[in-house]
Amino acid sequence: GAVVSQHPSRVICKSGTSVKIECRSLDFQATTMFWYRQFPKQSLMLMATSNEGSKATYEQGVEKDKFLINHASLTLSTLTVTSAHPEDSSFYICSARRTSGFYNEQFFGPGTRLTVL
Amino acid sequence: AQTVTQSQPEMSVQEAETVTLSCTYDTSESDYYLFWYKQPPSRQMILVIRQEAYKQQNATENRFSVNFQKAAKSFSLKISDSQLGDAAMYFCAYLEQGGSEKLVFGKGTKLTVNP
Repeated sequence: GAVVSQHPSRVICKSGTSVKIECRSLDFQATTMFWYRQFPKQSLMLMATSNEGSKATYEQGVEKDKFLINHASLTLSTLTVTSAHPEDSSFYICSARRTSGFYNEQFFGPGTRLTVL
Repeated sequence: AQTVTQSQPEMSVQEAETVTLSCTYDTSESDYYLFWYKQPPSRQMILVIRQEAYKQQNATENRFSVNFQKAAKSFSLKISDSQLGDAAMYFCAYLEQGGSEKLVFGKGTKLTVNP
């Protein structure tokens, strides 16, 4: 199967600090990864599309300078929440797209719970 | 823009019974994929079932089956012989073939399975 990992699974930080979340495709190469944010009891909200070797594409309303995305290799994308504030506390999920013939399936990581104090 | 609507915020079912979760979507495209994802308390997203729009036959995966009505833009999920482990949030999702490859999710249905 296709496995996607995220690290860390939980992080608590102080307001004003930056936090980096890693998303790795463990057994396949992913030219495209996606970052989602999920509030309690709500659906997944797409934040940005991360493309290997190029700039990420952000969804409308997502602050590019606050949520920095880097997709430096075919197996790793990182999301850095800069100058985090309590309102950035949320559950962040990544997915990696595996190219497979006709259909490109997305595989999800287990998520990262961010708490900003 | 494509939209996905799940009109049932919560559903409950007795163990071993059958339950159907509803989903409608809006699109002007003819080629696309539809999915049901399960998100248990661990919050790991799990693909339950996938349907290609060009296929008339409804997808089936063991106890899970869909009723895909393309003209009505309806895509419901039937869970047969419900088990306690089926309790989770269920999200319906749409993916445009050859497009942006972005998944569009519904708001979800929380399924409770009563023993």
